[in-house]
Amino acid sequence: QVQLVESGGGVVQPGRSLRLSCAASGFTFSSYAMHWVRQAPGKGLEWVAIISSDASKKYYVDSVKGRFTISRDDSKNTLYLQMNSLRVEDTAVYYCAKSDFSGREDYWGQGTLVTVSS
Amino acid sequence: DIQMTQSPSSLSASVGDRITITCRASQDINNYLVWVQQKPGKAPKSLIYAASSLQSGVPSRFSGGGSGTDFTLTISNLQPEDFATYYCQQYNRYPYTFGQGTKLEIK
Repeated sequence: QVQLVESGGGVVQPGRSLRLSCAASGFTFSSYAMHWVRQAPGKGLEWVAIISSDASKKYYVDSVKGRFTISRDDSKNTLYLQMNSLRVEDTAVYYCAKSDFSGREDYWGQGTLVTVSS
Repeated sequence: DIQMTQSPSSLSASVGDRITITCRASQDINNYLVWVQQKPGKAPKSLIYAASSLQSGVPSRFSGGGSGTDFTLTISNLQPEDFATYYCQQYNRYPYTFGQGTKLEIK
């Protein structure tokens, strides 16, 4: 069965950096694109980024472009989100999600909380 | 960006009822629409994809419909475990965008 386990969240000051990880199992990780989606406290879902199966294509929501970088290590079955120049408004639970071949998220991890606060 | 508008924002219903949530896209999304369910403190769960296809393992009381810009999620014979927040999302064009959510509460 598909399992996605996020880690790396925590409390960080504005302007600092944090790297999230998502360990995948139960499927052939290298064959699928992967997503990050976030949810601010008490708010709705916001799609953040996607990386293609071969890492050649990456797309981001405008609010994180130039600050966040999505990457993957297929040898470790792990997805990453490098978050730089963090802002208070980046405070959220960050979910990784597996993509199906049409591009939609079909399986979701349990999330990791990032709190940006001075 | 494609705007997704859900209605209503909240809904009260009873066990056994049939309810419908609507989602409108600001442009044609070629049926690249999903519905997800989220319970408090839990991860989202995929219910419907390609506007009307049921995710494996999801009960048949959930159904999706619509095309172009207007879509619906219908839940028949509401069960206690169905009370949650529901989101639509388009995956036709980047950035993917979600509706604002519909909170389904017990009457």
